[in-house]
Amino acid sequence: IAGITQAPTSQILAAGRRMTLRCTQDMRHNAMYWYRQDLGLGLRLIHYSNTAGTTGKGEVPDGYSVSRANTDDFPLTLASAVPSQTSVYFCASSERGEPDTQYFGPGTRLTVL
Amino acid sequence: KNQVEQSPQSLIILEGKNCTLQCNYTVSPFSNLRWYKQDTGRGPVSLTIMTFSENTKSNGRYTATLDADTKQSSLHITASQLSDSASYICVVSSSVYGNNRLAFGKGNQVVVIP
Repeated sequence: IAGITQAPTSQILAAGRRMTLRCTQDMRHNAMYWYRQDLGLGLRLIHYSNTAGTTGKGEVPDGYSVSRANTDDFPLTLASAVPSQTSVYFCASSERGEPDTQYFGPGTRLTVL
Repeated sequence: KNQVEQSPQSLIILEGKNCTLQCNYTVSPFSNLRWYKQDTGRGPVSLTIMTFSENTKSNGRYTATLDADTKQSSLHITASQLSDSASYICVVSSSVYGNNRLAFGKGNQVVVIP
């Protein structure tokens, strides 16, 4: 069982380009989340999905979009990347949503130049 | 102002020694508090989760305490090992199912030296 996988592991991207970060879980968890982690700021929630077909905005959703077409996949898209989106992005899942424990993926390190 | 404050920001301890990390929060209403361990370059891993009625919970050499009246929690590491070098993140939830409201601390950076 892999748990949660994220791709790519790291990426350098030119500003203005479109980028999709992939997240897949094989635990059949209903809820999935996207966070960004920046030095000195800790983890911040971007978007979440409590179940397939639904999504919600977190603390810092601007510039990002998500979709949840099925239970396993939760891609995060940057429509037009900007340097302030340079960060480490973590995908997480939980069985039923809050307050269940969240399980995190290994992260994607994104650099926008 | 961050709703979850952790102290100390960083800590260096000798292998085999104990240490205690602090988490103070202002989140309300309170649902649960959890501690995560994050190794460098990896995602956070859950250590403990405590609800309002729980005041202590252990996971191996990690023991978390919670005082919901004073809104304080601590994470105690016993007989530290080199593998305990990590960031420890305190997370407070005011959610019930279907409504995500999490407040994250910035983490306690622990370095264990031989």
